[in-house]
Amino acid sequence: NAGVTQTPKFRILKIGQSMTLQCTQDMNHNYMYWYRQDPGMGLKLIYYSVGAGITDKGEVPNGYNVSRSTTEDFPLRLELAAPSQTSVYFCASSYGRQETQYFGPGTRLLVL
Amino acid sequence: AQSVTQLDSHVSVSEGTPVLLRCNYSSSYSPSLFWYVQHPNKGLQLLLKYTSAATLVKGINGFEAEFKKSETSFHLTKPSAHMSDAAEYFCVVIFMDSNYQLIWGAGTKLIIKP
Repeated sequence: NAGVTQTPKFRILKIGQSMTLQCTQDMNHNYMYWYRQDPGMGLKLIYYSVGAGITDKGEVPNGYNVSRSTTEDFPLRLELAAPSQTSVYFCASSYGRQETQYFGPGTRLLVL
Repeated sequence: AQSVTQLDSHVSVSEGTPVLLRCNYSSSYSPSLFWYVQHPNKGLQLLLKYTSAATLVKGINGFEAEFKKSETSFHLTKPSAHMSDAAEYFCVVIFMDSNYQLIWGAGTKLIIKP
């Protein structure tokens, strides 16, 4: 039982490049989340999903896109990377909307 | 807009003394409240949660928190700090009033002095 896995662990992007951050969970959770954490700050919710085919915006969705074609996978897409997107990105999942969230190890992204 | 405020960015205590980490939130009819911990170079882990059951909630590693509706607070406490408690602590609130909002506090760094 791997829990929540994220790839890659670290990535450097040039301004304007695009990339997809991968997230997979094997707990059959309905809810999945993407957060970013800037230095000295709490987590900010980017997008979340309540099940396959259903996604919704969080607090800071601009510059990102998501899809949820299966229960297990919830990739996050950056289309035109900007320095403001330099951050640590965490994926999480939970059984229900008020249940405990389980986190992946994070992806550190640097945009130069 | 709904908000979550962790009143201290840093808290420093001596080993063996009590810990108090404070969290206040904007008023909500039926919030769900959580405390998560992030150890250096480790992932995020749930400490405890309140979801409309007993107002005093016990979590892992001797931590507990009390939900006080009249004060819109959910402060985290521990009677005796241990060196291994040094970490960043986050208060998280799910607001379920008109729509779903999940908001994290900015975090409190707990420093334990030997």
